[in-house]
Amino acid sequence: NAGVTQTPKFQVLKTGQSMTLQCAQDMNHNSMYWYRQDPGMGLRLIYYSASEGTTDKGEVPNGYNVSRLNKREFSLRLESAAPSQTSVYFCASSNRDRRTEAFFGQGTRLTVV
Amino acid sequence: GDSVTQMEGPVTLSEEAFLTINCTYTATGYPSLFWYVQYPGEGLQLLLKATKADDKGSNKGFEATYRKETTSFHLEKGSVQVSDSAVYFCALGDGSGNTGKLIFGQGTTLQVKP
Repeated sequence: NAGVTQTPKFQVLKTGQSMTLQCAQDMNHNSMYWYRQDPGMGLRLIYYSASEGTTDKGEVPNGYNVSRLNKREFSLRLESAAPSQTSVYFCASSNRDRRTEAFFGQGTRLTVV
Repeated sequence: GDSVTQMEGPVTLSEEAFLTINCTYTATGYPSLFWYVQYPGEGLQLLLKATKADDKGSNKGFEATYRKETTSFHLEKGSVQVSDSAVYFCALGDGSGNTGKLIFGQGTTLQVKP
């Protein structure tokens, strides 16, 4: 049971470099999410996709772009990485019913130097 | 806007001690409430949930009751084990729309000593 799979698990970037974080889910969920986790701040929503073909900004979208490639895949792109984007990134998916939980990937630990 | 406040950590307990982690929220609509747990080096996994007022969620000896009158969802366990050492997050679901978005508290680190 793969659930939500994120790649890569670790990444070090130099300031100004770009990269894409990949996420795929095999639970046939409609909705997918990208969160970042910073010490003392919990998880904050970057972008989400309520259904295939739609994306919306979350709480902290600046410096990021997303693509909902198909129902399974939702990628997060950093066009020009900054040290403030050093964080742990989590992808999640759910079937969007308010009573059901989200399922999370293992996370990507990104360091921007 | 909607928000979640958790008690600050870290919390350090001896094995078999009683655990309470406080969580309060502000919300519109009819949100569900969740507790997630994050073990070292892993992602978040659902610990328990409650979808309406007065519901009690329970799992692995942990319990939390959805209290609308006090806007709280405190996590409790009667006897903690070393294996319960982790970070615990209280989360609020989207109560006014079907987006599935979650708002998280800042997390509480629990360390249980033998």
